[in-house]
Amino acid sequence: QQPVQSPQAVILREGEDAVINCSSSKALYSVHWYRQKHGEAPVFLMILLKGGEQKGHDKISASFNEKKQQSSLYLTASQLSYSGTYFCGTADSGYALNFGKGTSLLVTP
Amino acid sequence: SQTIHQWPATLVQPVGSPLSLECTVEGTSNPNLYWYRQAAGRGLQLLFYSVGIGQISSEVPQNLSASRPQDRQFILSSKKLLLSDSGFYLCAWTGSRGGLSSPLHFGNGTRLTVT
Repeated sequence: QQPVQSPQAVILREGEDAVINCSSSKALYSVHWYRQKHGEAPVFLMILLKGGEQKGHDKISASFNEKKQQSSLYLTASQLSYSGTYFCGTADSGYALNFGKGTSLLVTP
Repeated sequence: SQTIHQWPATLVQPVGSPLSLECTVEGTSNPNLYWYRQAAGRGLQLLFYSVGIGQISSEVPQNLSASRPQDRQFILSSKKLLLSDSGFYLCAWTGSRGGLSSPLHFGNGTRLTVT
């Protein structure tokens, strides 16, 4: 079951904030977040395992609302290096990790 | 440390030709292995995953198949390629413990163009 990401694309100026949302129609065991630069493999950002869990990584953080089957990725004071496509991956059971279609983020000077 | 190798990096194949992409993982035992495909401008589509030798789960019915002949080797194959098989193929692994409570580690990918 593929999660739904929104928005599809975001353009920011350096220093601005952004939120990327991920939702599923099924109960989730875990939510993963990855960033992919053009032509490269996705790179792991963070995993959220428990309802209500929040994590942070530098100025990137995420939350997981287990009851609503939703997760959000927060990018604070964006940097040029944040540009790329962000994917959420959801696992409802077992070993299959299904990804959303991605959110394209462009940070401009 | 663990590493994942995927080859070839790029491949151009005619329609109807066979395909074999190989992925190997070093530095870990009994990894869970995955094949994903990314079509141009699209998301990551899970094709197959494996939790052990000879154990393959297919997520999307199509003309592709996967095999795991050894613990740390995962192969993606096709007998006859279609134009729609073009894309960026990514192999990934994760630790065998705890299901998907640990990150996926991706290989560098194979860019396949079917002509």
